[in-house]
Amino acid sequence: DGGITQSPKYLFRKEGQNVTLSCEQNLNHDAMYWYRQDPGQGLRLIYYSQIVNDFQKGDIAEGYSVSREKKESFPLTVTSAQKNPTAFFLCARSIGVNEQFFGPGTRLTVL
Amino acid sequence: GESVGLHLPTLSVQEGDNSIINCAYSNSASDYFIWYKQESGKGPQFIIDIRSNMDKRQGQRVTVLLNKTVKHLSLQIAATQPGDSAVYFCAETSMNTGTASKLTFGTGTRLQVTL
Repeated sequence: DGGITQSPKYLFRKEGQNVTLSCEQNLNHDAMYWYRQDPGQGLRLIYYSQIVNDFQKGDIAEGYSVSREKKESFPLTVTSAQKNPTAFFLCARSIGVNEQFFGPGTRLTVL
Repeated sequence: GESVGLHLPTLSVQEGDNSIINCAYSNSASDYFIWYKQESGKGPQFIIDIRSNMDKRQGQRVTVLLNKTVKHLSLQIAATQPGDSAVYFCAETSMNTGTASKLTFGTGTRLQVTL
């Protein structure tokens, strides 16, 4: 799984609830990313981080938050402000501006 | 980004034939391109990449061609096998984006291999 661990594999959320998706990497890479994928579509960048304690908004950051307190961990919180959270969420890592390697993904469903 | 709904472009190929998957990009500043393969319910898997100082790169059974003049990228798969059935995405970025690669993904092409 590209040196990336994502958990849980499936996550269910009630409306108005915040949920946090885990992403861990064990290859000491600086850059990590979160993407959202809707059915039949490509990936859209939510947030990315180049180094510890630093992160930048991607194209669809509204309704999401992240932290990067440790190099190996980049959790994503889907807040209640995100109106359409049901999607497949993918975490990735890279060495600088090179190919990104993806984790297995978390499928989030709103009940 | 634009929505194309659930109907991905689909390419049907007979086992053993060659496959060609095409991708158009719009950003003239993009100088690094990647092809990914995604099987159902899994994360994308890196296949091959190419930088803008090249127009062709070959891997194992795969070749990527880059035409910067018309902003077109293609992935050729030789002797297509049933295990090649998946959705294929191209992605682009500029090398001048700091220390992280902000990839822009295409909408994908579904490859169906028939026996």
